[in-house]
Amino acid sequence: GAVVSQHPSWVICKSGTSVKIECRSLDFQATTMFWYRQFPKQSLMLMATSNEGSKATYEQGVEKDKFLINHASLTLSTLTVTSAHPEDSSFYICSGLQGVLNQPQHFGDGTRLSIL
Amino acid sequence: EDQVTQSPEALRLQEGESSSLNCSYTVSGLRGLFWYRQDPGKGPEFLFTLYSAGEEKEKERLKATLTKKESFLHITAPKPEDSATYLCAVQATFDRDDKIIFGKGTRLHILP
Repeated sequence: GAVVSQHPSWVICKSGTSVKIECRSLDFQATTMFWYRQFPKQSLMLMATSNEGSKATYEQGVEKDKFLINHASLTLSTLTVTSAHPEDSSFYICSGLQGVLNQPQHFGDGTRLSIL
Repeated sequence: EDQVTQSPEALRLQEGESSSLNCSYTVSGLRGLFWYRQDPGKGPEFLFTLYSAGEEKEKERLKATLTKKESFLHITAPKPEDSATYLCAVQATFDRDDKIIFGKGTRLHILP
């Protein structure tokens, strides 16, 4: 149980384009979803927290106009990287959390984003 | 400031050679400590949650323990398939957003 599906798993695009990444909780309702960014051999850095039906809360230093997050339902959140540039290339991972006390976050398999 | 430090950064063991990974933490109040396993190019896979000092949890060759300042992940007689990065994370009692803070992980490599 507690499966999170993330798509696409890998995307390559030209500088200046926008890229949308989807995160779905398949067998549970995720009242909260988190988006992380991970550089090689580094840990996961939280970018933003989103609650269903609310605006996302962004961590310090993360541009909310650059990384648009939508959490329209209890099973779907999307991250759109707008006008992507090479420095946005990274591994992006989402996670979902049930609204039950002391439950762990469950993670998707990540999206490898490469901007040329 | 809440902080998680994992050691060692990397560890190479022979198959069958038991060892322990360390996770030291400072947090305003601990709601939970989590261990995850991450394989290359994949998202973290949940292993354990520990809530209070003295608690222990086991799963196959892995056992996690918790004190007031640190947690250990003991690996008994590891196999090559146990090779992965092991991540520790903590959740603070007073964080209303349910955020967790990750350490940098320990890259474990088990040699056959």
